[in-house]
This record gives sequence, structure tokens and C-alpha cells, in this order.
Amino acid sequence: AQSVTQPDIHITVSEGASLELRCNYSYGATPYLFWYVQSPGQGLQLLLKYFSGDTLVQGIKGFEAEFKRSQSSFNLRKPSVHWSDAAEYFCAVAPFSGGYNKLIFGAGTRLAVHP
Amino acid sequence: EAGVAQSPRYKIIEKRQSVAFWCNPISGHATLYWYQQILGQGPKLLIQFQNNGVVDDSQLPKDRFSAERLKGVDSTLKIQPAKLEDSAVYLCASILNPGQGNYEQYFGPGTRLTVT
Repeated sequence: AQSVTQPDIHITVSEGASLELRCNYSYGATPYLFWYVQSPGQGLQLLLKYFSGDTLVQGIKGFEAEFKRSQSSFNLRKPSVHWSDAAEYFCAVAPFSGGYNKLIFGAGTRLAVHP
Repeated sequence: EAGVAQSPRYKIIEKRQSVAFWCNPISGHATLYWYQQILGQGPKLLIQFQNNGVVDDSQLPKDRFSAERLKGVDSTLKIQPAKLEDSAVYLCASILNPGQGNYEQYFGPGTRLTVT
């Protein structure tokens, strides 16, 4: 069965520091990969996505992610974190299934930013 | 472009009561999803509609949950009777047409349900 693992439940970084959030997936082929962010009381906002091609993808708010097939990983990075980045981050996969792509989410990583 | 609308935003009910949630997807979006997000977990798909037909309801607890999308536009999700473990945020999402290579799901703000 397809699954997504986000090993870090909670991460705290200082403002201005770099950030990497880890994501590993289990799937027989290369799925479609996504990172979403959820601020308190808000819905999910798409940060970036990977379907094919260049394995380093750029997203909104200065985020990027790198797909590594050999490691079944899709880690999210940001070179310099801002206080407004404090939120919960979800990695998700969409196993291609006849065009109807439900999302399978990881449990999320809650990011806290210290001033 | 208006986003995915959901109502109510918050609901508190007692166990064994019934509750209904409403979702209006982005105009023209053929596929609609309902997800359940329990505190501390990622969202889990409950049901997926393509227009007004059900594509996937394999994880919907059908003894108490029901959903419909009669005219292929807005949708309602109902729980009857509610249990304590149904306390969660219920998220609605829509997508234009996944069969045409458009795979970005747009999410509504969610309905936070508390069952006491």
C-alpha cells in the first residue's frame, strides 16, 4: 500500500536559519509528489509539486524540494526561514490511478520559528 | 476566482446527534474530495466524486457517514449518528479535471467538528 512518512513531528528553527523537512514515500512507481502548508485555522495551501522532469522544483514563498528516486524521498528546503513560515507542513503523494488522483498525506511536521 | 467554500466553519454536537457539512467547489471543477483530518494526523480521503458520481468511497464509514453531489456542483457530507472519534476537521477539495493533467487540488478552509 502507498504511504508517506514524515519522520519529524516537530521542528524548531531560528529565524534566518535554513530548513529541511523530510519526506519518504512508499510506492511501486514514481508518484506525483506535493508539499502543502497549513496555518492555524486555514485550509491547505500548495507549496510545490513534482510530476516529472527536473528533480529540483521551486515553489512559492522561497521553498524548494528535491526528488530523489533512489531514496524515495522528496525533502522540502528553504535557505532562510521567516517567522511567518511557522505552520504545519504536509507531504503528499498521488498515485496515478486512471486519472483520479486522491492524495495520501503524511502525518505532518509542525514548524516553530524562534526570533 | 473564488476558492472552495465550506460551511459551517465550526460545529459542536453531542454524540449520537447528526450533522451535515456543505461544500461548494471552484466553479467548473469536476472532481470533488472530502477529507477527514484528525488532530495530529494528515488528512485522509473519505470520498471522491467525479461530477455527480462516486469514484472512491472505500474509506467512508458507510454505517454512519453519507455524502452526495446531486447536480455535480456542491456537495454535502452527513454524519448520523456521530461518535466521539468523529471529532476532526473535514476538508473539501476540488480539482479541474485530473484526466487532463491537472493534478492540483484546491482546499477549502474546513469545518472543525467537536463531538462531546
